[in-house]
Amino acid sequence: ETGVTQTPRHLVMGMTNKKSLKCEQHLGHNAMYWYKQSAKKPLELMFVYSLEERVENNSVPSRFSPECPNSSHLFLHLHTLQPEDSALYLCASSQGRDRATYEQYFGPGTRLTVT
Amino acid sequence: QKEVEQNSGPLSVPEGAIASLNCTYSDRGSQSFFWYRQYSGKSPELIMSIYSNGDKEDGRFTAQLNKASQYVSLLIRDSQPSDSATYLCAVNRRDDKIIFGKGTRLHILP
Repeated sequence: ETGVTQTPRHLVMGMTNKKSLKCEQHLGHNAMYWYKQSAKKPLELMFVYSLEERVENNSVPSRFSPECPNSSHLFLHLHTLQPEDSALYLCASSQGRDRATYEQYFGPGTRLTVT
Repeated sequence: QKEVEQNSGPLSVPEGAIASLNCTYSDRGSQSFFWYRQYSGKSPELIMSIYSNGDKEDGRFTAQLNKASQYVSLLIRDSQPSDSATYLCAVNRRDDKIIFGKGTRLHILP
């Protein structure tokens, strides 16, 4: 595997379900990110992890719970979601948190539909 | 004023011509600027990063930064149909938050 991978690629879940999104980066990067991309809206940064420590949480509802067990893996745990949470969820990684190394590499995304 | 503003397009450019994409930002203290390309149904792909005023060239792509005027642009020379995509501008604010614009849809006419 190369780059940033995400599973599953598509997910349909009911509002009462619990599911998890997985991201893995094979680039040796130190920082990982979760983004939400909805139609006609800019990319929204949700969480940032640097060396497995959460360094940013942009007022994301608690029904989204991130987990970063090591610098290569990132999870997004989902529970009791709402239909408006339907979107493309993108994972990204970058070499570090320094501004000079903020170039981010994105995974293919998980298309989430909440019914 | 939106933090990162881009014309949503679509911007239609004949094949072989120069496509010019513009982005303005509100935080004067922003330090790092990025252009991403996103094909329909795909994830964003980094094209260019630029950190200082002036031009930065990479193949057919040139990024231009003017911090005094708070704008960054991307020029695509010899446009190809494969350049048809949405181009996202991203700005790293002085508080280290990255903000993306909504993107400009570019359509290269064969």
